[in-house]
Amino acid sequence: NAGVMQNPRHLVRRRGQEARLRCSPMKGHSHVYWYRQLPEEGLKFMVYLQKENIIDESGMPKERFSAEFPKEGPSILRIQQVVRGDSAAYFCASSPQVEETQYFGPGTRLLVL
Amino acid sequence: AQKITQTQPGMFVQEKEAVTLDCTYDTSDQSYGLFWYKQPSSGEMIFLIYQGSYDEQNATEGRYSLNFQKARKSANLVISASQLGDSAMYFCAMSFSGNTPLVFGKGTRLSVIA
Repeated sequence: NAGVMQNPRHLVRRRGQEARLRCSPMKGHSHVYWYRQLPEEGLKFMVYLQKENIIDESGMPKERFSAEFPKEGPSILRIQQVVRGDSAAYFCASSPQVEETQYFGPGTRLLVL
Repeated sequence: AQKITQTQPGMFVQEKEAVTLDCTYDTSDQSYGLFWYKQPSSGEMIFLIYQGSYDEQNATEGRYSLNFQKARKSANLVISASQLGDSAMYFCAMSFSGNTPLVFGKGTRLSVIA
């Protein structure tokens, strides 16, 4: 059973470009969470999705950030017009049902030049 | 507001010794879960152990055990027989009934010395 997969593992963007981060949950998991980790800090929750639904986006900036988890395919975290402050590690986690253990992907390291 | 506190920014332990990493939490919820994750220098987040607030027994997973003291609101991680490969950042996290995203502490960097 493959674990949570994220790609790309590293992403470099110039200011103003768009960043698309992909997450494929573990097989059988229908709940996906995105977290952001700044250097030397813990992870901060951004958004929680189930298939085709955003359940909680309270941790996501109101502008430039969006997330989706379509019926088919991976979950996508999209950052438009990136700024240097968006540089961070973005982790995706999945769980089989609410309140079960969350298993994390390897993360995507975004660097904005 | 729910909060996780890890008071030890860094810890050192001799190989083969046991070490305790502290974690305290603050919540008024009665139903919650406590987690520990390991983040080695390669960056991935590895799930180690889980404790439910209603679990009467302390959780154990191999060399990891969770010293859960509900009245003190603490959930310390104990690693027995430390190995060099245990050197990593360790994060305590919490989930809450009706609010499933995890809340993380700032982490403790553990260094195992040969």
